Amino acid sequence: GNSVTQMEGPVTLSEEAFLTINCTYTATGYPSLFWYVQYPGEGLQLLLKATKADDKGSNKGFEATYRKETTSFHLEKGSVQVSDSAVYFCALILSGGSYIPTFGRGTSLIVHP
Amino acid sequence: DGGITQSPKYLFRKEGQNVTLSCEQNLNHDAMYWYRQDPGQGLRLIYYSQIVNDFQKGDIAEGYSVSREKKESFPLTVTSAQKNPTAFYLCASSIGDRVGGYTFGSGTRLTVV
Repeated sequence: GNSVTQMEGPVTLSEEAFLTINCTYTATGYPSLFWYVQYPGEGLQLLLKATKADDKGSNKGFEATYRKETTSFHLEKGSVQVSDSAVYFCALILSGGSYIPTFGRGTSLIVHP
Repeated sequence: DGGITQSPKYLFRKEGQNVTLSCEQNLNHDAMYWYRQDPGQGLRLIYYSQIVNDFQKGDIAEGYSVSREKKESFPLTVTSAQKNPTAFYLCASSIGDRVGGYTFGSGTRLTVV
């Protein structure tokens, strides 16, 4: 079946540190890949996406590159801020069928001043 | 601006009572979804609907019911048969394809008292 694996959290960083949150996937097909962010007490917001191999999604200083050869979509940011503290979810959607995403379990990021 | 509105933000229910969570969208999306999120857990799909007057069970449909009489609305009823209803409930919508991603509401926190 399809699955998304994210690194365990929480990830704790100091402000201005470099961020990487790992995401790998297993899919029987050719998926689109997504990162969502959830701030405390709120719903999820789409952060970025990539729909084909080697595409790079980017938004608000975050980036992720669709790596088909390693089945990965790691989230990176060069300099995190306290306001980036949130839970980050990686997800995939396959072509055909119901187009229901498969979500990872989420990775909590805590950024200290 | 278009979006998804969930109400109420907080809901308290006595044991044995049914409660209905509201979800309304003005994005003209065909597909709508209900997820449950427990502390430290990922998202679990309760029900989804890809077209008016049709809906499908997700992974944890027992104790829940839905209706889809209008494109804009997808209410979720938590029945007394749901043994552990205290959770954060998220509604989402999409155009129902591989690349569009989801739009989420801000969630309803249900507590059984």
